[in-house]
Amino acid sequence: DGGITQSPKYLFRKEGQNVTLSCEQNLNHDAMYWYRQDPGQGLRLIYYSQIVNDFQKGDIAEGYSVSREKKESFPLTVTSAQKNPTAFYLCASSIGYGGGAADTQYFGPGTRLTVL
Amino acid sequence: AQSVTQLDSQVPVFEEAPVELRCNYSSSVSVYLFWYVQYPNQGLQLLLKYLSGSTLVKGINGFEAEFNKSQTSFHLRKPSVHISDTAEYFCAVTRMDTGRRALTFGSGTRLQVQP
Repeated sequence: DGGITQSPKYLFRKEGQNVTLSCEQNLNHDAMYWYRQDPGQGLRLIYYSQIVNDFQKGDIAEGYSVSREKKESFPLTVTSAQKNPTAFYLCASSIGYGGGAADTQYFGPGTRLTVL
Repeated sequence: AQSVTQLDSQVPVFEEAPVELRCNYSSSVSVYLFWYVQYPNQGLQLLLKYLSGSTLVKGINGFEAEFNKSQTSFHLRKPSVHISDTAEYFCAVTRMDTGRRALTFGSGTRLQVQP
């Protein structure tokens, strides 16, 4: 079955640690995205990538980093510089920037990160 | 830049009653519009989308939405809700041109269906 997988489902981090959240897709999509969700709020864009080896900052990129070395993978690192990292993180992908149906984003199940 | 406003943070409704979840947007360029549903501790599932053509869009689970360009609205409706429709619903837009195509989301509406 095609889809997007995120791991782990739950992640606990100590203060000062970097952690990496995994996102993998087998949909052959060119574009991938990372969003952060906080209680009572919509999703906010952290980073996005239109194609392999290219990525752009979103609205709240400070304290985060990404890489896109393979088409199917877009890992997100939450660094110690992120002051309030406790949140639900969602990864998404879309066919690409062709417009219309190509822009429809499909989401993974999410990773809940808690800072201890 | 785009913005999305979902006026109701919570909507309580009795089972088998109709429901409307409101969504208004603001954008300097033409946009595509989406509704997603999120069940507790899960990712988002696409309900329906408006790309072009007929302004009345039908989606999964009996939901439909109507795009009104003059009022910049994209309200979601269902004629008869079920307990299983209890979830959070997000309205989102993305621009049609070649600019940044990531989704801009509203803050969500929690639909609570009561027996």
